[in-house]
Amino acid sequence: GNSVTQMEGPVTLSEEAFLTINCTYTATGYPSLFWYVQYPGEGLQLLLKATKADDKGSNKGFEATYRKETTSFHLEKGSVQVSDSAVYFCALKSNTGNQFYFGTGTSLTVIP
Amino acid sequence: EPEVTQTPSHQVTQMGQEVILRCVPISNHLYFYWYRQILGQKVEFLVSFYNNEISEKSEIFDDQFSVERPDGSNFTLKIRSTKLEDSAMYFCASRAGGAFGGELFFGEGSRLTVL
Repeated sequence: GNSVTQMEGPVTLSEEAFLTINCTYTATGYPSLFWYVQYPGEGLQLLLKATKADDKGSNKGFEATYRKETTSFHLEKGSVQVSDSAVYFCALKSNTGNQFYFGTGTSLTVIP
Repeated sequence: EPEVTQTPSHQVTQMGQEVILRCVPISNHLYFYWYRQILGQKVEFLVSFYNNEISEKSEIFDDQFSVERPDGSNFTLKIRSTKLEDSAMYFCASRAGGAFGGELFFGEGSRLTVL
């Protein structure tokens, strides 16, 4: 089946620290992988995506590389800001169905 | 920039009442979804809809739930007889299509409180 396992939170970092949020997946077929971000009181927004192995998605200083050999899609940012405080969701979509599968979310708080 | 819009933003209802949540997906999108989120954490899939019919649904989406696309723009979720545990944030989402990529675009959500 399809599933996403995401690093448990909450995560608290100081401004300018390095961020890693781990995400691994199991999937049938060849999935597309996504990171979504949810700011307080808002809906989910696409942060970045990758559609095939070895692709790197990037946006707003965040990066994630689609690693087929380790079935992972870890989110990284070199220097976090207070404005990055949000909940981050890893997600996949198999190419054999319409459903998107979400991880449980990781809450990030960045303190000045 | 095109966006998914949802109404109402917040609805309070009594247990056993019917509720309809409304969504206007992005106009050229083909796939429509409802998700719900309880306590700001796990995002749970309810149903997906394509070509005027349900394409997938979860165990949560039982006989109390239904979806409809009554015209060319709206996509509604109906809960026939609400229960306390239906209290959640309900998100509508849509996507353009294609087997690869085709990310979901989410609305801002409708908060449902069942008393």
